[in-house]
Amino acid sequence: EPEVTQTPSHQVTQMGQEVILRCVPISNHLYFYWYRQILGQKVEFLVSFYNNEISEKSEIFDDQFSVERPDGSNFTLKIRSTKLEDSAMYFCAGGRDQETQYFGPGTRLLVL
Amino acid sequence: DQQVKQNSPSLSVQEGRISILNCDYTNSMFDYFLWYKKYPAEGPTFLISISSIKDKNEDGRFTVFLNKSAKHLSLHIVPSQPGDSAVYFCAARGRPLGGATNKLIFGTGTLLAVQP
Repeated sequence: EPEVTQTPSHQVTQMGQEVILRCVPISNHLYFYWYRQILGQKVEFLVSFYNNEISEKSEIFDDQFSVERPDGSNFTLKIRSTKLEDSAMYFCAGGRDQETQYFGPGTRLLVL
Repeated sequence: DQQVKQNSPSLSVQEGRISILNCDYTNSMFDYFLWYKKYPAEGPTFLISISSIKDKNEDGRFTVFLNKSAKHLSLHIVPSQPGDSAVYFCAARGRPLGGATNKLIFGTGTLLAVQP
């Protein structure tokens, strides 16, 4: 059964550095999302992406964040200048329709 | 953001018995609800969902019940198995009037332990 994959599984970076988190969604999915979970907190929505553009973003998703799907397969989340509070598990999700979302295994980001 | 609440942080059940996980919500505009299971160091795995136009959905050992008047949903697992031990999250999607969103709002999760 196809699965959403994410790379890397873990990333350690210095504050102020740029990071790119990568996701390969299931091939027939049309809707794509990024969520994150800070340790001990809820899973929270960051951004949704459809038809090659952002359809919705949360207040967390400020100018330091960007997403793109340049080649029709990889879906990336870029954080331009990481902050300590960006340390979290980042989950990519996708769906064929606007209802069920299927999550990847996550990338654990640690900002030092 | 307390729109989706899971008031029981943990639940322990004997193998073979029923597990009942509960979830409450405050936003009457939520129109679709999902349950996810999560193991440590993995992403949430979709289990079952229900639209707000229904009050019950069943898939094998998993049944979700929705009580819109009480703004309450529950997940029943029967019979429970040791492999069901995980954190269970409920999530809700809202459709505000005149708008559309696929954003899921998650509860804090309930840790289910199924004892052999």
